[in-house]
Amino acid sequence: KAGVTQTPRYLIKTRGQQVTLSCSPISGHRSVSWYQQTPGQGLQFLFEYFSETQRNKGNFPGRFSGRQFSNSRSEMNVSTLELGDSALYLCASRSGPGRNNSPLHFGNGTRLTVT
Amino acid sequence: GESVGLHLPTLSVQEGDNSIINCAYSNSASDYFIWYKQESGKGPQFIIDIRSNMDKRQGQRVTVLLNKTVKHLSLQIAATQPGDSAVYFCAENLNTDKLIFGTGTRLQVFP
Repeated sequence: KAGVTQTPRYLIKTRGQQVTLSCSPISGHRSVSWYQQTPGQGLQFLFEYFSETQRNKGNFPGRFSGRQFSNSRSEMNVSTLELGDSALYLCASRSGPGRNNSPLHFGNGTRLTVT
Repeated sequence: GESVGLHLPTLSVQEGDNSIINCAYSNSASDYFIWYKQESGKGPQFIIDIRSNMDKRQGQRVTVLLNKTVKHLSLQIAATQPGDSAVYFCAENLNTDKLIFGTGTRLQVFP
């Protein structure tokens, strides 16, 4: 079974631009979460989607948004990029929401650099 | 609270020795815990999980111990191998669907 797939792997943008990152979950997984990883703040929860609905949102500004499609694939968008948005963005999937379902399985991330 | 990782603690072990990685979690109401391994250039990889109604769980070469009294979690790796070199994160789950990650520990295995 293929794992979580994220595209692109690397991205370089300039301040003020916007960016869209894509995630394909493990086949059969319907819940998708996004995390930001930086050396200073570690792994921080962004949001989780299930059945095209956002279930939870982390403590990030409104410039960070996401969505989920009917095939469970997900995208996240960051508008008006700032230097501090440079990070590894990780997508994770599991069979469904709630802790009684399988644990989160992560993709290899998209490395975003903002210059 | 949320994880903050300015300086990553490092554990150096010799190949073949046992490794113990420790983690202090933040919320006494957390009832589900996971250990992840992250190699350079990759995302976190699931190792083992444990629910709060257990205090020990074993996998292949790994054991997780949970001490709810002192909010402490540990990961024991038996007969550590060079391929075990990575950053290890513990994560806790409250009554929401988000994980709160620890700061991580870098494990270095020497021949």
